[in-house]
Amino acid sequence: EVQLVESGGGLVQPGGSLRLSCTASGFTFSSYWMHWVRQAPGKGLVWVSRINRDGSSTSYADSVKGRFTISRDNAKNTLYLQMNSLRAEDTAVYYCARGLYSGDSTLGDYWGQGTLVTVSS
Amino acid sequence: DIQMTQSPSSLSASVGDRVSITCRASQTITSYLNWYQQKPGKVPNLLIYAASSLQSGVPSRFSGSGSGTDFTLTIGSLQPEDFATYYCQQSYSPPYTFGQGTKLEIK
Repeated sequence: EVQLVESGGGLVQPGGSLRLSCTASGFTFSSYWMHWVRQAPGKGLVWVSRINRDGSSTSYADSVKGRFTISRDNAKNTLYLQMNSLRAEDTAVYYCARGLYSGDSTLGDYWGQGTLVTVSS
Repeated sequence: DIQMTQSPSSLSASVGDRVSITCRASQTITSYLNWYQQKPGKVPNLLIYAASSLQSGVPSRFSGSGSGTDFTLTIGSLQPEDFATYYCQQSYSPPYTFGQGTKLEIK
């Protein structure tokens, strides 16, 4: 069974940093592109970032470029999102999600349950 | 960046109705278009990928069509469990983008 479990969310002050993790199981993690998507309370879905299978290629939403860094450790089956210079508007539930098919960059069908990040003083 | 615009933003319908939601991309995305359903407090659920391919396990009353810039999600006969928010999303070119969502409510 495919499982994605996020962790690392919490309350952080504006300007602070946080690192989210997403632990994967039930599939060959190293064969899939991975994504982060976020959703502010009561708002819509916003794609945040993606990373290719070996971590050599990444992309970001304009709103987080230069502040967030996506990475992965295939030996640990874990995806990361390092978030720096956090702002109030970064407050959201952060989901990790798998690519649709092995080797395909399309956002797919398996998502974690999400971890809440709250940026507030 | 590619902008995705859904219409309508909200929709009231009755059980048994046939409804359609449209999604327009600001430039061509060929068929790199997904549709997601999200219920309150739940994780989004993939319904349609590649514009018209039904995801495994999704009821056949859901269908997708379109290519290029204009896309449609159709629900053939609404069931009580279909009342939710629906999002289109493009995976043609990063940054990948979602539409603003369409909230489908019971009339």
